[in-house]
Amino acid sequence: EAQVTQNPRYLITVTGKKLTVTCSQNMNHEYMSWYRQDPGLGLRQIYYSMNVEVTDKGDVPEGYKVSRKEKRNFPLILESPSPNQTSLYFCASSPRDRPLYGYTFGSGTRLTVV
Amino acid sequence: TQLLEQSPQFLSIQEGENLTVYCNSSSVFSSLQWYRQEPGEGPVLLVTVVTGGEVKKLKRLTFQFGDARKDSSLHITAAQPGDTGLYLCAGQFLSGSARQLTFGSGTQLTVLP
Repeated sequence: EAQVTQNPRYLITVTGKKLTVTCSQNMNHEYMSWYRQDPGLGLRQIYYSMNVEVTDKGDVPEGYKVSRKEKRNFPLILESPSPNQTSLYFCASSPRDRPLYGYTFGSGTRLTVV
Repeated sequence: TQLLEQSPQFLSIQEGENLTVYCNSSSVFSSLQWYRQEPGEGPVLLVTVVTGGEVKKLKRLTFQFGDARKDSSLHITAAQPGDTGLYLCAGQFLSGSARQLTFGSGTQLTVLP
C-alpha cells in the first residue's frame, strides 16, 4: 500500500530534550515536506525537500532541522524543543513532476512539550 | 508569505442541506487543491483545479476555480453526515517555488443527522 509513515503518533517530552520524528514514504516521490497544524492557523510549512540532499526552509523553520540522505526518508529534528512547538505535525510527499497528483500525507504526530 | 483566506471557519448544517465553502487570495494560483481531513488523520486530496473557470464534480461535491485563478469554491449538494470533516484549500502560487503549497486555515463542517 502506497503510504507515508510517521513515527511516533504521539509524543510527550520535556523542554530542551532533543527529539526526532521520522517520516518514510514508499512511493519513490522526489518531493517531501513537513507541516505543523495549529487551531485557527491551518497547515504551515516547516521545511521541504525537492530531492536527496536538497532541503529548504518553509514558512516556520525556526527551531527545526531536517535531513534528506535517502529518497524515502525525511526526518524532522527538534534540537531543543520548547512549549511553543507543541503542535500536530504532518509529513507529506508528492511526485515532483506531476502537480495534479497532490500530496500524500502521513497520519500525523501529536507532540506535546512541557 | 502569501495568504489564503477560507470561509466560513465553522459550518454546522442539517442533513440534506446545501453549502458552499470559499477560498480566496489576492495572488494568482498556478493550481489549487481541495483536501478533506478527518480527526486523527492527515488531509486527503479531493481535487486539483488548474484552468481559470474550471469546474470539477466529485459525486455531490462541485469545485470551481475562478476565472482569474485567485479564488475557488466547494459546493456540497444534499450534505450527509459522512461529509463531516475539515475542508482545506491549498494553492500553488505563480510566484512560489515549484511544488510549494500554501494552505488555508480550513472550514470545519458538521452535518447533523
